Parts: sequence; structure tokens; C-alpha cells
Amino acid sequence: GENVEQHPSTLSVQEGDSAVIKCTYSDSASNYFPWYKQELGKRPQLIIDIRSNVGEKKDQRIAVTLNKTAKHFSLHITETQPEDSAVYFCAAMGSGSARQLTFGSGTQLTVLP
Amino acid sequence: DGGITQSPKYLFRKEGQNVTLSCEQNLNHDAMYWYRQDPGQGLRLIYYSQIVNDFQKGDIAEGYSVSREKKESFPLTVTSAQKNPTAFYLCASSLGTGKEGQHFGDGTRLSIL
Repeated sequence: GENVEQHPSTLSVQEGDSAVIKCTYSDSASNYFPWYKQELGKRPQLIIDIRSNVGEKKDQRIAVTLNKTAKHFSLHITETQPEDSAVYFCAAMGSGSARQLTFGSGTQLTVLP
Repeated sequence: DGGITQSPKYLFRKEGQNVTLSCEQNLNHDAMYWYRQDPGQGLRLIYYSQIVNDFQKGDIAEGYSVSREKKESFPLTVTSAQKNPTAFYLCASSLGTGKEGQHFGDGTRLSIL
């Protein structure tokens, strides 16, 4: 099945700096890659996603890039703000019959004021 | 997403006891999922259901059971066979398996007395 690895597990940045979180996946047939943000004790919320026919997608301060050849994708947050502090999860939709999401282990992002 | 309701928010289990976590959605989604989240780990799939009266085991189904008698409801029972049930449990739904955009509930935190 699909295996997703996410790095780093923790990331601290100064307010206004950029943050980058990276994920690799194992199933070359995976074609959908969402990113979720989870604040403490709350539900994960989808913040951006990308499909395998696109190399990059941007939404205001958030962007995701995908390298299908290397089987990795990254989340980029620019001009970070304290409210960006949360746990971020990447996921990949594998090619199995039911096409489930496999999640990375999460990155705790802390934006220091 | 207000369309998925999980209850209770907190639940305590005694040794040898089965407990049931509720998940209801009014999004008219066909697919529903149960995930377990442990500290420092990503979401792991327990069970999923693609349609009423059908469900499949996920990666960590042992010690859990589910039912899907109605489209809107997908309750999870944590049985006494689950020896380490303390975790945060998240329910999600989507238009269908293989269809993007899983929406999550607020979760249930289960602890052992």
C-alpha cells in the first residue's frame, strides 16, 4: 500500500518568514495530494490540495508543489503569522481499489512573534 | 465543517467495556471513515464505508467494529479487545471513496478509567 513520510516533525519560524514542509510517497500511481491544518484539539481542515496533472498550486500565502518523478510534494507558507501555528498533515490518495488517503505523521509548526 | 457531528466529545471506558462513538453527517456523502490519532502520529484508518450496509477494514481494524445502516450514520464501537484504546478518534466523509475532499468531525477523545 501507500506510504507517506513527512519532514520535519517540528518547525519553528519567526513571524514573517517562510515555512516549508516536505512529504514523500511510495505509490507512483497516487494522483491526489491534500494538506490539512489541525489546531490543538480541533478537526483537521483541508487547506490546499493538488492533483498529479499539476506541478504547482497557489492560494494566497500557501502553495504546494509536486514532483511526480521524485515522488515528493511540499507545502510552502510565506509571510507566516502566529495564527499559522498548528499541526500540518500531508496525505496521498493511493491506487488501491478503494483509493484511500494515507497520511503523513504531521509537522508541528510554531510561528514565533 | 458543520456537516459532520461526532459525539460525545469526551468518553471514558472501563476495563472490559465496549463503548460506541457516534458520527452523523448531513452532507449527503456516500463514503464515511473512522481514523485514530495518537500523539505525534498521523491519522490511521480504522474502518471505512463506501455505501450503506457495506464497510471495509482499514489499517488498524482489530478491536473495533462498525455498522452502516443509514447513509447519515457510521458509529464506531471500541470493544474490550482493543487493549490500547486511549486516542483521539476522528470521523470523516466524502462524496465517494476515490473522490477528494474528506470533511472531518470535531473528534472524540477516549480515555481509560
